[in-house]
Amino acid sequence: NAGVTQTPKFRILKIGQSMTLQCAQDMNHNYMYWYRQDPGMGLKLIYYSVGAGITDKGEVPNGYNVSRSTTEDFPLRLELAAPSQTSVYFCASSIQSSGNTIYFGEGSWLTVV
Amino acid sequence: ELKVEQNPLFLSMQEGKNYTIYCNYSTTSDRLYWYRQDPGKSLESLFVLLSNGAVKQEGRLMASLDTKARLSTLHITAAVHDLSATYFCAANQKGGNNDMRFGAGTRLTVKP
Repeated sequence: NAGVTQTPKFRILKIGQSMTLQCAQDMNHNYMYWYRQDPGMGLKLIYYSVGAGITDKGEVPNGYNVSRSTTEDFPLRLELAAPSQTSVYFCASSIQSSGNTIYFGEGSWLTVV
Repeated sequence: ELKVEQNPLFLSMQEGKNYTIYCNYSTTSDRLYWYRQDPGKSLESLFVLLSNGAVKQEGRLMASLDTKARLSTLHITAAVHDLSATYFCAANQKGGNNDMRFGAGTRLTVKP
């Protein structure tokens, strides 16, 4: 089972560059999430989506954008990358928000230099 | 704003011993999660606790929730080396959006 698939796994960006982290899930989940995890810390929610065409900001949305054109895909766009965006990014999904297991992708390690 | 605090942040235990990790949260929440993360890996869901007094057990791990005290615990029984990992709790603000707030994590090392 594929579950939640993220690409790329590793990426080095220069300051000011832009890139998109891809996330796809094949479980027909309506909820999808993007988190970032800084070293030694817990996860912080960047954006989430409750269904195709619907997105909302989480705790740390600045510097990021998302879109949800299909149920399966939830890409995260970094515009004008900054060193503060160096982090591990996790995409996740769940069938709905209340009480259901949230499945995480393997993570994308991003370094901005 | 919902804040989640875990303690201890670092825990070194001998195999065979018992210990408890504590997770406090600052405002009313309607669900509490526990996750395990191995170094360089993603998060694995352990438990979802939905109601006051909820208790769930899987192997040597048992999680409980006291919504009145805003406290969840993760109890480790007769620890084994394979339990070495970082454990996170996370909570959602009741009636709010899906903004799940995580604790900083407890890095558990089980020594032979």
